[in-house]
Amino acid sequence: GQQVMQIPQYQHVQEGEDFTTYCNSSTTLSNIQWYKQRPGGHPVFLIQLVKSGEVKKQKRLTFQFGEAKKNSSLHITATQTTDVGTYFCAGYSSASKIIFGSGTRLSIRP
Amino acid sequence: KAGVTQTPRYLIKTRGQQVTLSCSPISGHRSVSWYQQTPGQGLQFLFEYFSETQRNKGNFPGRFSGRQFSNSRSEMNVSTLELGDSALYLCASSLGNMRGGAETQYFGPGTRLLVL
Repeated sequence: GQQVMQIPQYQHVQEGEDFTTYCNSSTTLSNIQWYKQRPGGHPVFLIQLVKSGEVKKQKRLTFQFGEAKKNSSLHITATQTTDVGTYFCAGYSSASKIIFGSGTRLSIRP
Repeated sequence: KAGVTQTPRYLIKTRGQQVTLSCSPISGHRSVSWYQQTPGQGLQFLFEYFSETQRNKGNFPGRFSGRQFSNSRSEMNVSTLELGDSALYLCASSLGNMRGGAETQYFGPGTRLLVL
């Protein structure tokens, strides 16, 4: 069946360092969404990517969708303590099935 | 607008019992999706309801069922509870005008279910 792999599982960085999480799908995706879940909270939508090769930016966050629409990445520049949480990708197949990646838990040393 | 609300927030049940969870979407949203979140399996899609009809379904056994009412509120039922059903159950609402994830989903705070 369709799988969405997300790496790394954990990332511990010094405040100010950059952070990147990657998602790879076994099949072509129609689109991909990214969510952030703070500890003890619920997922909050960050962004959706639809087009092949699409790149979107939100302040210090950069999201990319691969040319083949099978992988995506989220890059945070100069992390801050407010970035702490788990970042999930969610891929949608052509059959409208949604599969979440396992998430990357980001922790930050002040 | 008020956000997505879920009741109850916490629940303790024993094996073999059944449970019903409730989700009230954001006003105007017609699609409600349910997810199970566990440390081991992550976030897994259960099903989606739109206009009182199940529009999409994940790979969960028939013990997991749901329904949606005319006011878009949704309920999820789990019968014959097993220890492995202990999880955070999240619902998410969206406008529902487009299938396939072309809309923002707004998650509720979740119901944390513990099965003893």
